[in-house]
Amino acid sequence: EVQLVESGGAVVQPGGSLRLSCVGSGFRFSSYAINWVRRAPGKGLDWVSVISMRGDSAFYADAVRGRFTVSRDNSRNTVYLQLNRLRAEDTAVYYCGRDELGDFWGHGTLVTVSS
Amino acid sequence: EIVMTQSPATLSLSPGERATLSCRASQRLSSTVAWYQQKSGQAPRLLIYYTSTRVTGVPARFSGSGSGTDFTLTISSLESEDFAVYYCHQYDQWPRTFGQGTRVEVK
Repeated sequence: EVQLVESGGAVVQPGGSLRLSCVGSGFRFSSYAINWVRRAPGKGLDWVSVISMRGDSAFYADAVRGRFTVSRDNSRNTVYLQLNRLRAEDTAVYYCGRDELGDFWGHGTLVTVSS
Repeated sequence: EIVMTQSPATLSLSPGERATLSCRASQRLSSTVAWYQQKSGQAPRLLIYYTSTRVTGVPARFSGSGSGTDFTLTISSLESEDFAVYYCHQYDQWPRTFGQGTRVEVK
């Protein structure tokens, strides 16, 4: 069974940092790109980032470029999303999805940026 | 970045009725449009990709169409489980972008 599990969400102060993890199982992890999207409270879906299957290329939304960094460790079936210089508007549930379009998704992890 | 504008923001319909959701791109796209369904507290669900290709397991009542800058998701006859928020998404250019969503609610 294909599964993706996000973790690492927490309450953090503005300007702080967090690292989110996305662990995949039930499929050949190294054969798929992994993407991240988020949904802020009361708002719509927001595309965040994607990393290629080998981790040699990544793309970011304008709102997070320069603050967020995506990486992966295929030996651990894990993709990481490093969130730096967090702002209140980054508060959201973050989801990771398999492949660029996300044919499977995790249940999400909540990031709250608040003082 | 490409802006995706969905209309209407909310669609109030009864079960059995037809739903037509629109999405307009700020630039011409090469059919690289997808549609997602999201219910409260759940992850998004990919329904349609490449404008009109249904994901395996998605009921045939869901269909996508369009070209250029105008795209449509049609639900031919609403079932109770279809009441949700729907998003269009372009994967033609970086950064990828979503529309702001159309909520399909029970009338």
